[in-house]
Amino acid sequence: DTAVSQTPKYLVTQMGNDKSIKCEQNLGHDTMYWYKQDSKKFLKIMFSYNNKELIINETVPNRFSPKSPDKAHLNLHINSLELGDSAVYFCASSLKQGAGEKLFFGSGTQLSVL
Amino acid sequence: QKEVEQNSGPLSVPEGAIASLNCTYSDRVSQSFFWYRQYSGKSPELIMSIYSNGDKEDGRFTAQLNKASQYVSLLIRDSQPSDSATYLCAGKTSYDKVIFGPGTSLSVIP
Repeated sequence: DTAVSQTPKYLVTQMGNDKSIKCEQNLGHDTMYWYKQDSKKFLKIMFSYNNKELIINETVPNRFSPKSPDKAHLNLHINSLELGDSAVYFCASSLKQGAGEKLFFGSGTQLSVL
Repeated sequence: QKEVEQNSGPLSVPEGAIASLNCTYSDRVSQSFFWYRQYSGKSPELIMSIYSNGDKEDGRFTAQLNKASQYVSLLIRDSQPSDSATYLCAGKTSYDKVIFGPGTSLSVIP
């Protein structure tokens, strides 16, 4: 069974459209994240949820809205897509282990906005 | 200063050599430190974590942390072509946020 799964794997869409990416983890973790990786491979945190509660909200445009119906799911909805939104979006989850925090990543969603 | 900085590379080493990857961090990143490996087209995977000053060894990998110099490194001994990947240094802030560096691309030449 895949630990952190996200769908779809590829998403090609036109500017101005609205799209969603879904993420589910079966690890029993309390914390889930969305990261964005641009073309230069820079992995930047967008949001973090702990047990359905928003913990981290970076300076992300309001067009991005995360939703966590339960602690095993964290979805990302994007309104009015722009060219600059093209990137790979990674969902991740973690179970804090003392001072450490190992992140388990999903396989990523390659978003291409045309 | 960016929170976590790395040389983007590419770093090329011959097979069997030691690959040395370096990372510096700002005052905002003060807690746990991690090295993730990312193969092209794949997701990052954790290979090492280090929390206190000194060295930590795991097989062919050694992580080194120097908090006074705000410096973390990863040494890969007996480098193999399968080690060719992008290595992401990451650190955790006091707000429980894991911040990644831009990554260093490593190429091990057979």
